Amino acid sequence: DSGVTQTPKHLITATGQRVTLRCSPRSGDLSVYWYQQSLDQGLQFLIQYYNGEERAKGNILERFSAQQFPDLHSELNLSSLELGDSALYFCASSPTTANYGYTFGSGTRLTVV
Amino acid sequence: AQSVSQHNHHVILSEAASLELGCNYSYGGTVNLFWYVQYPGQHLQLLLKYFSGDPLVKGIKGFEAEFIKSKFSFNLRKPSVQWSDTAEYFCAVMKGAGSYQLTFGKGTKLSVIP
Repeated sequence: DSGVTQTPKHLITATGQRVTLRCSPRSGDLSVYWYQQSLDQGLQFLIQYYNGEERAKGNILERFSAQQFPDLHSELNLSSLELGDSALYFCASSPTTANYGYTFGSGTRLTVV
Repeated sequence: AQSVSQHNHHVILSEAASLELGCNYSYGGTVNLFWYVQYPGQHLQLLLKYFSGDPLVKGIKGFEAEFIKSKFSFNLRKPSVQWSDTAEYFCAVMKGAGSYQLTFGKGTKLSVIP
């Protein structure tokens, strides 16, 4: 157990639907990062939040959004889902500075049918 | 744009063989370098990291990596692999001060045959 909790572990949904992925960071970590892992694109950075505020944005589609709540947990919202959105979505957390590397959660496997 | 290249997509070794996985990055400034491992069905775990100082860094499970600045490389090594090292290995780069985004390579899958 890495200390970063992601729910659900698996999600199967239909095209056009909307889902919410949840992440609870490791205790004491202020930053949360979302990554998408797919076979063709590898690990792609989506977005970072630090203490409730958006800090950096990567290759995140407009159909996707995220937020970090006062208790520091984060949610990634994926809407108008397409088959190509099927992937593993990882959340990671880090303390104030990320220079020591992230701690990753176990991921949510999203399958869009 | 910053990129990370891992040259080998899939490496197959017998137990006790030596391992070297290549990683090159394209960013010219100060970087922090990482190797992560992902065992089947599990999350990514940090193997080792380099920030500054001795370019030869030692990590967990007997792994080490050497930072060669002139070659923009950060290759991962292990003198003698075990079946339990079967996993996917990812090199990642973080730009120096002020950036918290990790850019990952596409990964190298290592299969160790008993």
